[in-house]
Amino acid sequence: EDQVTQSPEALRLQEGESSSLNCSYTVSGLRGLFWYRQDPGKGPEFLFTLYSAGEEKEKERLKATLTKKESFLHITAPKPEDSATYLCAVLPERGQNFVFGPGTRLSVLP
Amino acid sequence: DGGITQSPKYLFRKEGQNVTLSCEQNLNHDAMYWYRQDPGQGLRLIYYSQIVNDFQKGDIAEGYSVSREKKESFPLTVTSAQKNPTAFYLCASSSAGIPPYGYTFGSGTRLTVV
Repeated sequence: EDQVTQSPEALRLQEGESSSLNCSYTVSGLRGLFWYRQDPGKGPEFLFTLYSAGEEKEKERLKATLTKKESFLHITAPKPEDSATYLCAVLPERGQNFVFGPGTRLSVLP
Repeated sequence: DGGITQSPKYLFRKEGQNVTLSCEQNLNHDAMYWYRQDPGQGLRLIYYSQIVNDFQKGDIAEGYSVSREKKESFPLTVTSAQKNPTAFYLCASSSAGIPPYGYTFGSGTRLTVV
């Protein structure tokens, strides 16, 4: 069965304190791994797509990386406005639909 | 601006009542999806549609129904058969193609049973 887990469940950082979020997946084959950001009471917002191991994508303070078993979302010098829940989703090779992880709730304190 | 509009933002359902959640997109996307989000769980797929007049059940379709009469619209009905409907409901759309593309999500509808 295809599965996605994310850790930690929640993370509290001080402003400027860099850290990483983890997304581990078990799928028969990977067509793509996707990161989303979700603010409270809103729909997820697309951040990155990664298609193959070794690939990296960057956007402002965020950098996503991918290996054959997991992806990391690195947050460099975070600001309070980076506080949100970050969702990871994978699209298996043999499936039509995404498998979502439960998310990591990030709080960045000023 | 293109996007997905979900309405209403908040919805209250009485026992035994059917309610319909609206989802409209102007992105010219072929595929549309309905997800349910509960605290501490990943998004779970209720129904999806790849083309007009066709839709498939997702992982948790029991107690829900949909229609796809227009490309832009994909309403979800929560029937009285759904015993635990209190949740945050998200509609999404995507374009077909290779490589696979991410979803565009609506802002969600929070449904509460009263």
